[in-house]
Amino acid sequence: RKEVEQDPGPFNVPEGATVAFNCTYSNSASQSFFWYRQDCRKEPKLLMSVYSSGNEDGRFTAQLNRASQYISLLIRDSKLSDSATYLCVVAVTGGGNKLTFGTGTQLKVEL
Amino acid sequence: EPEVTQTPSHQVTQMGQEVILRCVPISNHLYFYWYRQILGQKVEFLVSFYNNEISEKSEIFDDQFSVERPDGSNFTLKIRSTKLEDSAMYFCASINVRNEQFFGPGTRLTVL
Repeated sequence: RKEVEQDPGPFNVPEGATVAFNCTYSNSASQSFFWYRQDCRKEPKLLMSVYSSGNEDGRFTAQLNRASQYISLLIRDSKLSDSATYLCVVAVTGGGNKLTFGTGTQLKVEL
Repeated sequence: EPEVTQTPSHQVTQMGQEVILRCVPISNHLYFYWYRQILGQKVEFLVSFYNNEISEKSEIFDDQFSVERPDGSNFTLKIRSTKLEDSAMYFCASINVRNEQFFGPGTRLTVL
């Protein structure tokens, strides 16, 4: 089983749509959770950390279910500039805090 | 806003040659990292570094790889004898007090 699993997509959605990405992780010792976005041939950029209570940042909402080892990201009112690959990332805090990445879900927002 | 910087942006080398990739982490961060991403694949952890020591390394980080913090600002990754399969994007990252890692723009390494 992959350590972090995501649907690779692509998700093609019209501008203004709501889109949801899901992710599962296998290491129950994982303690830190993140969503990054990556544009083509660029570095991963932190979108948001994911907290147990769920958290929202503008049009973006992240949820975490530790019991199911499941993380989600919801993007509302999607914009052309949201087109990117969204990376689900987990870490076991302590030691080196190394990040384990999913393969990413590609989003294309169209006119 | 402070950023992680990396040089060079692109490095082309012949198989068997040594390369040094350079990074300047964000100044008040204490943990530094190298990751790599082979084209079309996921980002993979290589090594973490804290207090002038490796704190964790992956199976990829074999004897051909080394890291160093030669001064108060630079953080380097050396590959002693490059192989074709070392061709990838190499990202440096540093971590803040909220355990959030910030990545540099990467060095694209091409081994011929």
